[in-house]
Amino acid sequence: GQQLNQSPQSMFIQEGEDVSMNCTSSSIFNTWLWYKQDPGEGPVLLIALYKAGELTSNGRLTAQFGITRKDSFLNISASIPSDVGIYFCAGRYNNNDMRFGAGTRLTVKP
Amino acid sequence: DTAVSQTPKYLVTQMGNDKSIKCEQNLGHDTMYWYKQDSKKFLKIMFSYNNKELIINETVPNRFSPKSPDKAHLNLHINSLELGDSAVYFCASSQPSAGINEQFFGPGTRLTVL
Repeated sequence: GQQLNQSPQSMFIQEGEDVSMNCTSSSIFNTWLWYKQDPGEGPVLLIALYKAGELTSNGRLTAQFGITRKDSFLNISASIPSDVGIYFCAGRYNNNDMRFGAGTRLTVKP
Repeated sequence: DTAVSQTPKYLVTQMGNDKSIKCEQNLGHDTMYWYKQDSKKFLKIMFSYNNKELIINETVPNRFSPKSPDKAHLNLHINSLELGDSAVYFCASSQPSAGINEQFFGPGTRLTVL
């Protein structure tokens, strides 16, 4: 199946710092999605990207769909303690199938 | 008015037992999914149903049998539970036919097999 490589695996940052994480694939995806999972909860959609080169913001979050359609990044600016959680990228390559990255575990120190 | 709901939230059972997890979505979506999240938090798709028909069946032991009585429900039945089945199971739904490719997830069911 399609494989996604998400990095970094984990990040420890100070409150107020900016964060960047990315996903790459050897295959082309039609859609890139970024999710956040809080402990004990299901993943919640943050940003959806549908076109190569698309840059989309959601508050302090910004994500881009790579031009080659094989990568995407997520930036978080001015991190706050509630940004703590696991961030997943996901790529869709047909109508029903989506693959997830292994997740980036973010810790924000006050 | 929860969009995707699952029951139970926690399930603790003995090896060899049979158990079911239920999922319901009130979003009007026509596609539903089951995912397994292991202890390392890796999310792996197990099944996908579109309008009650099986679309995706990843390499999952046939002890796992999904059942979709209608397009708003996708239940997961597991026979002869094994220790390795311990994980968090997530149900999700989407509406790809309407261009809604985002999958909305339920809160998860934490299954512990003793």
